[in-house]
Amino acid sequence: AQSVTQLDSQVPVFEEAPVELRCNYSSSVSVYLFWYVQYPNQGLQLLLKYLSGSTLVKGINGFEAEFNKSQTSFHLRKPSVHISDTAEYFCAVRRGTALIFGKGTTLSVSS
Amino acid sequence: DAGVIQSPRHEVTEMGQEVTLRCKPISGHNSLFWYRQTMMRGLELLIYFNNNVPIDDSGMPEDRFSAKMPNASFSTLKIQPSEPRDSAVYFCASSTGQGAWEQYFGPGTRLTVT
Repeated sequence: AQSVTQLDSQVPVFEEAPVELRCNYSSSVSVYLFWYVQYPNQGLQLLLKYLSGSTLVKGINGFEAEFNKSQTSFHLRKPSVHISDTAEYFCAVRRGTALIFGKGTTLSVSS
Repeated sequence: DAGVIQSPRHEVTEMGQEVTLRCKPISGHNSLFWYRQTMMRGLELLIYFNNNVPIDDSGMPEDRFSAKMPNASFSTLKIQPSEPRDSAVYFCASSTGQGAWEQYFGPGTRLTVT
């Protein structure tokens, strides 16, 4: 069955530093992968998605993710973070007609 | 588009009372999902509907929880009777049911049961 593992529960970084949030998936079939962001007291917002084709996917707010089939990973990256990127980030994989979410990674950006 | 609409945004109730949470999906979306989010358990899928029909309710914690979708533009999640351990943020999400099936989330209802 499809599942995702987010390897870090918390990632603290300084403003303007690069960041990588890690996600590994398990699936025996073709995958659809997603990253969502949740700002404090808000619902989840789609950052980006991978369906097929190019393994580098660009999303909103300067984020991108790379699909790596051999390593079964879909890590999220941003070259320079802002204070406003402080939020919780969820990786998800499609299973049938539903999405399976990881436990989330809290990104804390400080000045 | 107004996005997914949930009401109320906050609900405080006493143990034993009935609670009804409401959701209006994005127009044209034919799949609807209810989630519960807590610090301890993270984001849990409770139930989802496709074309107003419940497809998978295996995440519904117990018989105190029930969900309905009487038409394509409205769904309810009811807890009767409520208990303090039901305190959480409840999210509704909708999807077109096509392509990648990405979901669009509402702002959530924060439920506190005292």
